[in-house]
Amino acid sequence: DSGVTQTPKHLITATGQRVTLRCSPRSGDLSVYWYQQSLDQGLQFLIHYYNGEERAKGNILERFSAQQFPDLHSELNLSSLELGDSALYFCASSLLQGTAVTDTQYFGPGTRLTVL
Amino acid sequence: GQNIDQPTEMTATEGAIVQINCTYQTSGFNGLFWYQQHAGEAPTFLSYNVLDGLEEKGRFSSFLSRSKGYSYLLLKELQMKDSASYLCAVSPGGGATNKLIFGTGTLLAVQP
Repeated sequence: DSGVTQTPKHLITATGQRVTLRCSPRSGDLSVYWYQQSLDQGLQFLIHYYNGEERAKGNILERFSAQQFPDLHSELNLSSLELGDSALYFCASSLLQGTAVTDTQYFGPGTRLTVL
Repeated sequence: GQNIDQPTEMTATEGAIVQINCTYQTSGFNGLFWYQQHAGEAPTFLSYNVLDGLEEKGRFSSFLSRSKGYSYLLLKELQMKDSASYLCAVSPGGGATNKLIFGTGTLLAVQP
C-alpha cells in the first residue's frame, strides 16, 4: 500500500458524459501527478500540481482539467468523453515540486475508466 | 523530443538472473526510475539512479551510465511472482516539475 488513495476504482459511463476522478496523496506529500495508461501506450504524463498550483502540463486534452484543493487532494475532470478515453488513470504523489533534485513518486491504485 | 526504449517482452527461468535494458534520449536528466507493474495494478517503485554506477537493493540492482543514456535493471534469484511489467522512467527536470517520462515497459515472464 503506497498511501495514495484513488476513487472510484472502476467507472463505466457513456460517450459525451463527464466524470470526476479523485486522488488523495500520501500524508505530507505536496505534489500530485496524473498519468493516463491505455492499452496501446505506456504511462503518459497529464498534469502536475504542487501545493494547489499547477506546475506542468503534458499532452492533456482540452476536455480534461484538474485542480488541487487546500487539503491537497486532487480531482481530474474528464468531459465530452470519447471511446478513446477508456484507460487506467493513475495519480502519484511526492514531497517536492521540482528542483535540481528529483524525488520518488508513489502511485495510487488507479481508476479504470470504460467509455461505452 | 523525449524517447525511452526498452524491450517489449522477455522470458526467464525461475532461479535465474535477468537483465532488462533501457536507453533514453531526453531534454534533460534529473534521475532514472524503475517501477514494477502487475497487470491492472499500480506501478510500485523499485529503484532510482541519479549518478553513474550500480545501486543494489536486495535481489534488484540498477545501473546507470549518463554519458551513454543507458540503464539496466538486474533481477537475481527470479521468482514466479517477478512476472510483471518493468517500467523505465526518466525525470527530465527543467522548470518546477519532476514529471516522469515512461518507456512502454518490458513484460517479463518467469517460467518454472
